Amino acid sequence: EAGVTQFPSHSVIEKGQTVTLRCDPISGHDNLYWYRRVMGKEIKFLLHFVKESKQDESGMPNNRFLAERTGGTYSTLKVQPAELEDSGVYFCASSQQKQGINEQYFGPGTRLTVT
Amino acid sequence: AQSVTQLGSHVSVSEGALVLLRCNYSSSVPPYLFWYVQYPNQGLQLLLKYTSAATLVKGINGFEAEFKKSETSFHLTKPSAHMSDAAEYFCAVSYTGFQKLVFGTGTRLLVSP
Repeated sequence: EAGVTQFPSHSVIEKGQTVTLRCDPISGHDNLYWYRRVMGKEIKFLLHFVKESKQDESGMPNNRFLAERTGGTYSTLKVQPAELEDSGVYFCASSQQKQGINEQYFGPGTRLTVT
Repeated sequence: AQSVTQLGSHVSVSEGALVLLRCNYSSSVPPYLFWYVQYPNQGLQLLLKYTSAATLVKGINGFEAEFKKSETSFHLTKPSAHMSDAAEYFCAVSYTGFQKLVFGTGTRLLVSP
């Protein structure tokens, strides 16, 4: 079974440019999460999809961030325009929709550097 | 509000020594608790989880953690460190089956020969 994959693994862009990160969850996982880790800080929640619907987007920093999940499969996170403080590692995670414990499976992350 | 505190951003041990990584949580309702590990250039991997069953939880690679409600702690231990345990370890809390994870700041474990 393939794990959560993320693309690209690294991205270096200039301030003001646009970047789109992609996440492919484990097949059959209805829950998809985005997290971000800024250097030296904790991993912070950004948002949660259930299938194609946004369940919780309370962690999105501002309206420069736009997340979508097409047809309840893969998800993209667009940052437009990027700012220096957006630099960090963006993690995607997925889990099954079932009662009980929510075991989230993480991808390797995308390291975003805004210069 | 939920929060997680991991004491010590770096912990150094010798190979064969006891590993103890500390995690304290704050939650207004019974929590679910997790330890994740991140090896260099890899994603986060679940080590173990507490789900209100047994308070002593055994995970992969010889790690275990004990849930202590009175101390609001979920410390991670391993009796004998191995060089391959060098990684960054994250404690996280959630309180339902589908909610976001709240992470601590992480502890980097260094293992010396």
